[in-house]
Amino acid sequence: DAKTTQPPSMDCAEGRAANLPCNHSTISGNEYVYWYRQIHSQGPQYIIHGLKNNETNEMASLIITEDRKSSTLILPHATLRDTAVYYCIVSHSNDYKLSFGAGTTVTVRA
Amino acid sequence: KAGVTQTPRYLIKTRGQQVTLSCSPISGHRSVSWYQQTPGQGLQFLFEYFSETQRNKGNFPGRFSGRQFSNSRSEMNVSTLELGDSALYLCASKRTNTEAFFGQGTRLTVV
Repeated sequence: DAKTTQPPSMDCAEGRAANLPCNHSTISGNEYVYWYRQIHSQGPQYIIHGLKNNETNEMASLIITEDRKSSTLILPHATLRDTAVYYCIVSHSNDYKLSFGAGTTVTVRA
Repeated sequence: KAGVTQTPRYLIKTRGQQVTLSCSPISGHRSVSWYQQTPGQGLQFLFEYFSETQRNKGNFPGRFSGRQFSNSRSEMNVSTLELGDSALYLCASKRTNTEAFFGQGTRLTVV
């Protein structure tokens, strides 16, 4: 029962920015938006999360719309190693269960 | 600091056998969750433990069980293995009000 909608796949050119959209129109006021990625057959890797302000770390930036109904994960300079399935998840910060949807399969091409 | 460690990484078992998987969380993390990932069903929540107590369980048969020790390490057990239990089993640990961190998983193949 994932509460997010993501495109099933997208391609990106190496060195260019990758912008991954996510819709979460039913997000509640105290739910965060989390992004994880999973490289083939490895465990999901935490990327970034946010509540309502835009966030940036060494891996990516997260842009959340003012109404919080959608967000965009930005990988500023995609590399081949960024090829993975990216999951957008909404959750309370003290939730122990993450509901994964199908995610977006991102393929970075040389 | 060390991440979440799962052992073994790969396992092959025969139908009808039972298996135990282990997860060592990040130091200081008291919550440990288990997930099953299959190509058809994706990532599905199995159960979560906190301070040696199971707080919730996903929609899996009773053949799937787990426990947590006083040092927060956790084990999950699957009895009477079926072919459909072949999957990547993932463990995640977290502190309260922080993000979850996953291990590399145990790839179980049932033949």
